[in-house]
Amino acid sequence: GENVEQHPSTLSVQEGDSAVIKCTYSDSASNYFPWYKQELGKGPQLIIDIRSNVGEKKDQRIAVTLNKTAKHFSLHITETQPEDSAVYFCAAIPGTALIFGKGTTLSVSS
Amino acid sequence: EPEVTQTPSHQVTQMGQEVILRCVPISNHLYFYWYRQILGQKVEFLVSFYNNEISEKSEIFDDQFSVERPDGSNFTLKIRSTKLEDSAMYFCASRIRDRRNSPLHFGNGTRLTVT
Repeated sequence: GENVEQHPSTLSVQEGDSAVIKCTYSDSASNYFPWYKQELGKGPQLIIDIRSNVGEKKDQRIAVTLNKTAKHFSLHITETQPEDSAVYFCAAIPGTALIFGKGTTLSVSS
Repeated sequence: EPEVTQTPSHQVTQMGQEVILRCVPISNHLYFYWYRQILGQKVEFLVSFYNNEISEKSEIFDDQFSVERPDGSNFTLKIRSTKLEDSAMYFCASRIRDRRNSPLHFGNGTRLTVT
């Protein structure tokens, strides 16, 4: 089955710096790659997604890149703010179900 | 914005007891999911459900688990005889269509504590 690897597991940055989280997947049938943000006590919230027919997508301070040949995709957050502190999960969909990475705890200090 | 709602937010039960976790998916969504998250770990897929039947399930979803859509709005997860290791956050999710590139929308979860 699909295996999604995510790193780093923790990331600490200063406010205003950029943060990058990387994921790899194993199933070449996966063609949709969402990123979720999870705040304490809440469910995962979709923040951005990318489909396999594009290599990059941007939404304000957040961008995602995809390299289908290498089977990896990355989340980029620029000009980080304290409210970006949360756990971020990447995911892939080889069938009907999302398969998540293990998560990255991002801490943004002011 | 429509959202997935889950009740209760926290459920405490004794080992061996049955529990039912409830979810109201977004009203025009057709595909429903249960995931669980053991404290500090990743979100794990349990089961997907469409057209009143299970479409996919993981190894975690054994005979102790069952799902049901008893009416037009609710989607439930039942654990027949809870074990200590069932303690986790359980998330319900729904999706408007089965295209593999449509997003899942998650509820805020039910924290299940088995004592």
